[in-house]
Amino acid sequence: DAGVIQSPRHEVTEMGQEVTLRCKPISGHDYLFWYRQTMMRGLELLIYFNNNVPIDDSGMPEDRFSAKMPNASFSTLKIQPSEPRDSAVYFCASRAGTAWTGELFFGEGSRLTVL
Amino acid sequence: DQQVKQNSPSLSVQEGRISILNCDYTNSMFDYFLWYKKYPAEGPTFLISISSIKDKNEDGRFTVFLNKSAKHLSLHIVPSQPGDSAVYFCAAGPTGNQFYFGTGTSLTVIP
Repeated sequence: DAGVIQSPRHEVTEMGQEVTLRCKPISGHDYLFWYRQTMMRGLELLIYFNNNVPIDDSGMPEDRFSAKMPNASFSTLKIQPSEPRDSAVYFCASRAGTAWTGELFFGEGSRLTVL
Repeated sequence: DQQVKQNSPSLSVQEGRISILNCDYTNSMFDYFLWYKKYPAEGPTFLISISSIKDKNEDGRFTVFLNKSAKHLSLHIVPSQPGDSAVYFCAAGPTGNQFYFGTGTSLTVIP
C-alpha cells in the first residue's frame, strides 16, 4: 500500500517566488497534517485538516502561507512570496480517525531552499 | 517558546548497551506522548506512544517512561543495535491531533 506521497522532494527557488508543495495522503485517512522541520525548532505543526476541512491553522507562520485540501486525496501548501527564512523541510502526514494510537504516517518531505 | 524540549542533541552508545533518550515538556495539559524515529532523507516513523493514564509502555526493545509530576518522559532502548542509529523525536500534546515535537536527539550506536 502506498504511503504518504509528497512532491517535489527538493525545491530551490529565489526570494519572492511562489512555492507550492503537494501531498497525497494514505487512502482512507481522514486527517492530514503539514509540519515544518528546522534545526532550531524541530518539527512544527503548521495546519491540520479533518475530512478536508481546516481545523487548526494557528501554526501557519504568516499570511504568506496558505494550505488547501480540495479533496480527500490531495493537499497543497503554498508560500507566496517566499523568503530565505522559509528554507526548511516540509512534511505532510496523515492518519485515520479511528481509535487513537498516536501514529501519524509521514511522507518523505519536501526540502525547500529559498535563495 | 518550545513546549517540548530534548536537551541532548546527540548521544553515542555501544552496541548491546542501553540507550536512554530524555524529553521534558512544559504544559501540564498534555496527555499524549509519542516517540518517532527518523533516518536521513526519510519521514519520521512512529515508534511508541503512551497516554497520561500510564507511566510505562513497552514494545520489544523499546520502553517509554512517563513522569507526569516532573513533566518528563524517556525512551529506553535495550539492547541497542547499530540499526537504531537515527534521530529520535519526542512529541506531546493535549489531544490526538495537536502534537508539539522536540528538536530531536541523534543516536549513534557504535558496533
